[in-house]
Amino acid sequence: QVQLVQSGAEVKKPGSSVKVSCKASGGIFSSSTITWVRHAPRQGLEWVGSIVPIFGTAKYAQKFQGRVTIIADEATSTVYMEFSSLTSDDTAFYYCANVVGGDWFDPWGQGTLLTVSS
Amino acid sequence: DIQMTQSPLSLSAFVGDRVTITCRASQNIDKYLNWYQRKPGEAPKLLIYAASNLQSGAPSRFSGSGSGTDFTLTISSLHPEDGATYYCQESHSAPWTFGQGTKVEIK
Repeated sequence: QVQLVQSGAEVKKPGSSVKVSCKASGGIFSSSTITWVRHAPRQGLEWVGSIVPIFGTAKYAQKFQGRVTIIADEATSTVYMEFSSLTSDDTAFYYCANVVGGDWFDPWGQGTLLTVSS
Repeated sequence: DIQMTQSPLSLSAFVGDRVTITCRASQNIDKYLNWYQRKPGEAPKLLIYAASNLQSGAPSRFSGSGSGTDFTLTISSLHPEDGATYYCQESHSAPWTFGQGTKVEIK
């Protein structure tokens, strides 16, 4: 059973970058697909992007293309999501999740709160 | 992108009530529809996958139905611990999109 543990809360200034980690255990990391979803205040859930570690290539929601990079470190079974050019609109909980079967998400990491404020 | 529309956006019901939440897709997504429960301060949890399959560990009072563009999540008998926000998600094609969420309040 895959378990996902994310890095802690972050506070960043507008215009800066952040890197959030998601460490997997209990499953076959390389052949998994890990996805990132965010939940901004008063907003719904929003898919950010995904990666298959064994292939190393990521796909992103067009909205975030150019500002987000997802990479995988097979040696440590960790996926990283880096967001650049942060604005207050990026303030949100960011979740990683394991993609299963017909692209449903289970389980999810505990979430990482990113606050962007001057 | 596929648009997912849930209704209602909020509801209030008594323990023991039957609760129904609907989700409509902007195009045919066959049975590529999943439901999640999110409680305050917690990560979302998968309840139903592929429209009607109950996730292991999810209570049997939850059920899902539908195909094509119209889907339903039903709680057969509301429990106090079911107070949460419920989201549908299409997994037909990226970018995978979610409904706006339905907040269920226990009276």
